[in-house]
Amino acid sequence: GAVVSQHPSRVICKSGTSVKIECRSLDFQATTMFWYRQFPKKSLMLMATSNEGSKATYEQGVEKDKFLINHASLTLSTLTVTSAHPEDSSFYICSAGLAGYNEQFFGPGTRLTVL
Amino acid sequence: AQSVTQLGSHVSVSEGALVLLRCNYSSSVPPYLFWYVQYPNQGLQLLLKYTSAATLVKGINGFEAEFKKSETSFHLTKPSAHMSDAAEYFCAVSDPGYQKVTFGTGTKLQVIP
Repeated sequence: GAVVSQHPSRVICKSGTSVKIECRSLDFQATTMFWYRQFPKKSLMLMATSNEGSKATYEQGVEKDKFLINHASLTLSTLTVTSAHPEDSSFYICSAGLAGYNEQFFGPGTRLTVL
Repeated sequence: AQSVTQLGSHVSVSEGALVLLRCNYSSSVPPYLFWYVQYPNQGLQLLLKYTSAATLVKGINGFEAEFKKSETSFHLTKPSAHMSDAAEYFCAVSDPGYQKVTFGTGTKLQVIP
């Protein structure tokens, strides 16, 4: 149980375009979803926390207008990288939290490459 | 505020040797502690977690970790390294009741045949 999926697993786009990444909890309803960014050979940096039906809470230094997060249901959160630039190239990982569990369940990640 | 320090960004061990990955934490409240493993271009897999029960925690793939409050440590060990253990390992901390997790900088484990 507690499986989280991400789609797509890998995406290549041109500079200036927008890219949407989906995060789904497959067998449970996630009370909270998290979005992380991982730079090469670096740790995970929390970008934002989102709760279903409310606005996401962004970490300091993360541009909310650039990284749009929508958490429309208890099983789906999306991250849209708007007007992507090469410096946005990274590995994006989502996770989902479940009420009563002090543990996050991680998705497999999405590799974004902006040309 | 919480933080995690992983000593050694790279650790090399011979196949069959003891694996020891170090993690020290800082937390103003009793912490929950985690070890995750990440293989290249993949997400994180939970190895084990400490949530204020037994201080010696056993996880998957033969790994275990011991919570030592006096040393603020949560080191990860495995008696005998296997080639398949080569990966990146992350120690993480969260406070009970809040799901925000803070990760360490990671330790890359290399297993030498």
